[in-house]
Amino acid sequence: NAGVTQTPKFRVLKTGQSMTLLCAQDMNHEYMYWYRQDPGMGLRLIHYSVGEGTTAKGEVPDGYNVSRLKKQNFLLGLESAAPSQTSVYFCASSPKQGYQETQYFGPGTRLLVL
Amino acid sequence: TQLLEQSPQFLSIQEGENLTVYCNSSSVFSSLQWYRQEPGEGPVLLVTVVTGGEVKKLKRLTFQFGDARKDSSLHITAAQPGDTGLYLCAGAIASGSRLTFGEGTQLTVNP
Repeated sequence: NAGVTQTPKFRVLKTGQSMTLLCAQDMNHEYMYWYRQDPGMGLRLIHYSVGEGTTAKGEVPDGYNVSRLKKQNFLLGLESAAPSQTSVYFCASSPKQGYQETQYFGPGTRLLVL
Repeated sequence: TQLLEQSPQFLSIQEGENLTVYCNSSSVFSSLQWYRQEPGEGPVLLVTVVTGGEVKKLKRLTFQFGDARKDSSLHITAAQPGDTGLYLCAGAIASGSRLTFGEGTQLTVNP
């Protein structure tokens, strides 16, 4: 049982390049989330999904797109990377979105945009 | 403006000392969670508190939810180097709402 996995672990992009970050979970969770973590800012929600085929915007969605074609996968895309998108990206999943639910996080993807 | 404010932002102490980390807000939360994040890894849930005034203990860690459900604290007794990490509080305004995270407290416990 791997939990939540993220691919790749580290990536360097040039401004204007595109890339896709992959998140996979094997816990059959309905909810999945993408966060970015920057120094002094905590975790900020980019996009989330409440089930297969659905996505919704979070707190900081601009410059990102997502897709949830399969229940176990949640993809985060950057169409035209900018230096402001340099960050550590975390994917998380939870069984439900109840206020007592635990979110299970992946190990993160470190992205540097030059 | 951060909905959840954590203090202190950084804390460096010696092994064996006690410490308290605070998580404050002007908003009322249905629940508050504390996560610990180690370098190179994602956050891991430590505890969830849901009732005003609630106190939960996890070995040397004591978590308290304020009576008005606007604040929480984490107290560590006799800190050990293994307690080193980033401590994040996260709150949900209402049942079914998304989590809002504080900016974190970076704790370093020196041997």
